[in-house]
Amino acid sequence: GAVVSQHPSRVICKSGTSVKIECRSLDFQATTMFWYRQFPKQSLMLMATSNEGSKATYEQGVEKDKFLINHASLTLSTLTVTSAHPEDSSFYICSARDELRVDDNQPQHFGDGTRLSIL
Amino acid sequence: AQSVAQPEDQVNVAEGNPLTVKCTYSVSGNPYLFWYVQYPNRGLQFLLKYITGDNLVKGSYGFEAEFNKSQTSFHLKKPSALVSDSALYFCAVRENTGGFKTIFGAGTRLFVKA
Repeated sequence: GAVVSQHPSRVICKSGTSVKIECRSLDFQATTMFWYRQFPKQSLMLMATSNEGSKATYEQGVEKDKFLINHASLTLSTLTVTSAHPEDSSFYICSARDELRVDDNQPQHFGDGTRLSIL
Repeated sequence: AQSVAQPEDQVNVAEGNPLTVKCTYSVSGNPYLFWYVQYPNRGLQFLLKYITGDNLVKGSYGFEAEFNKSQTSFHLKKPSALVSDSALYFCAVRENTGGFKTIFGAGTRLFVKA
């Protein structure tokens, strides 16, 4: 079945560091990928929709300059948390849809998430 | 605007008993509804979906969900719970405005006791 690979699974770094998270669709193409943030014991909050070959669409309240998204190919989107601070610590999850399937009501396929801890 | 509500933060059930995890939704037009499960430190796994057709939808791992249009509900059910079903469950609704943005409920933590 469709698989989404997210890397790294865990990052611990110092305040002020920039951190890049990769999201890859392994056996399908995805012109659209989604980036979510999940706080402990809370639901997923959609941060942005990543569009291959064009700018990402950010949700209200999400800082574009803080969370840089690049979707350079049909199988890879990256989220870079720039100048990370402790309040950016969270669980980040990406997802993608297999857009070549005839049924466009297919669910999203999720990566296993990245736990980001900023010291 | 689409929204989905999961009224219970936590559901406790004994192994072998039936379980229900509740979900209600608010959409304009036809709803596209989903259930996902999340295990610790993992992404979400798809369980089942309702787009159209039979109100009772069968999914993975023995789960099913009943779509009720008059009550705007989409409750997740399983006839006999397993300890391994303990996890975080999310109900979700997909926007039907042409995009594929999905709105998730707050999640319900299911504890199945042996």
